[in-house]
Amino acid sequence: DGGITQSPKYLFRKEGQNVTLSCEQNLNHDAMYWYRQDPGQGLRLIYYSQIVNDFQKGDIAEGYSVSREKKESFPLTVTSAQKNPTAFYLCASSKRGNRWDSPLHFGNGTRLTVT
Amino acid sequence: AQSVAQPEDQVNVAEGNPLTVKCTYSVSGNPYLFWYVQYPNRGLQFLLKYITGDNLVKGSYGFEAEFNKSQTSFHLKKPSALVSDSALYFCAAMDSNFGNEKLTFGTGTRLTIIP
Repeated sequence: DGGITQSPKYLFRKEGQNVTLSCEQNLNHDAMYWYRQDPGQGLRLIYYSQIVNDFQKGDIAEGYSVSREKKESFPLTVTSAQKNPTAFYLCASSKRGNRWDSPLHFGNGTRLTVT
Repeated sequence: AQSVAQPEDQVNVAEGNPLTVKCTYSVSGNPYLFWYVQYPNRGLQFLLKYITGDNLVKGSYGFEAEFNKSQTSFHLKKPSALVSDSALYFCAAMDSNFGNEKLTFGTGTRLTIIP
């Protein structure tokens, strides 16, 4: 079955360490997104990419970095500069970056805890 | 700036009764509106969307939503609730002139169906 795979499901890190979250899709979607979910705050966009080798900052990009070297993959690095990194991170994809007729498909998320 | 409001953090409904989850939006142009559902420790799943046309939109699992332009609302409804409908529901909106990178989510409503 096609879908989005996020790994790992749970991740624990010490403060000051960078950590990379994996996101792979086999839906042949052009666009991919990273969201952060915090209780009572809904979803906030971190970064998005509409095509390979190109990505754009979302609303809360500070302290994060991404790459898009392959269509299928869009890893997110949470750097030590992110002041409050503990959260639930969701990766999503859609068929095209600028079309309404393509709802987002989400992975099952990675819960990151930084202590 | 566009925004989405879900005024109820929690909605409780008895099994078999009709349910409504409320959503109001503010976008500068014509709105594209979406409902997503999230089960515990999972990603979001697309339920339904309003783009244009009939104000009553039907979606997955027997859900429907009514677009009301004058009240800027897009309430989610179901005629008869099931225990399995218990989940976190997100309303989302964007201006039709933009793409998914401009999608704004509400803060979510937790729906609990009581047996």
